[in-house]
Amino acid sequence: KAGVTQTPRYLIKTRGQQVTLSCSPISGHRSVSWYQQTPGQGLQFLFEYFSETQRNKGNFPGRFSGRQFSNSRSEMNVSTLELGDSALYLCASSLASGTQGTEAFFGQGTRLTVV
Amino acid sequence: DAKTTQPTSMDCAEGRAANLPCNHSTISGNEYVYWYRQIHSQGPQYIIHGLKNNETNEMASLIITEDRKSSTLILPHATLRDTAVYYCIVRALSGSARQLTFGSGTQLTVLP
Repeated sequence: KAGVTQTPRYLIKTRGQQVTLSCSPISGHRSVSWYQQTPGQGLQFLFEYFSETQRNKGNFPGRFSGRQFSNSRSEMNVSTLELGDSALYLCASSLASGTQGTEAFFGQGTRLTVV
Repeated sequence: DAKTTQPTSMDCAEGRAANLPCNHSTISGNEYVYWYRQIHSQGPQYIIHGLKNNETNEMASLIITEDRKSSTLILPHATLRDTAVYYCIVRALSGSARQLTFGSGTQLTVLP
């Protein structure tokens, strides 16, 4: 079974630009969550999508947004990029069915560098 | 804020058991204990989780104290590839607290 796939793996953007990251979850998984990892703040939760609806949101500015498609694939978008947005962005998927299938499996991440 | 406390770092000899402690004294009755690890620059890897009973899988064992205020992750025969940051996380499975809240974790170094 294929794992969580994130594209692209590496990205360099300029301040003020916008960026879209993609995540394909494990087949059959309906929940997709996004996390940001930086050396200073560690791993921080961005948002979770389930059946195309945002179910939970972390404490990030509105420049960070996401969506989920009917095939459970998800994208996250960051607009008006700032230097501080440089980070490893991680996507995790899970079955998320009650108390079963709650393990979240992570992709390898997208390394975003803002210059 | 993370609801767990873990030592910053630990060493373990290759082939020996690695016992990683975690304190979660404010855990609620509906919260589970999850363990993940992250090898440098890779995505976190799920290890194991439990509610109140001890759990074992092919990777590790999870021992949760009777009062559920602490737990220990046991890697029975550590190898060099087990060198990683290990995160202990408490998590509800519903509502706004269902996300994984990562703390600083424990850097485990397995020594040859």
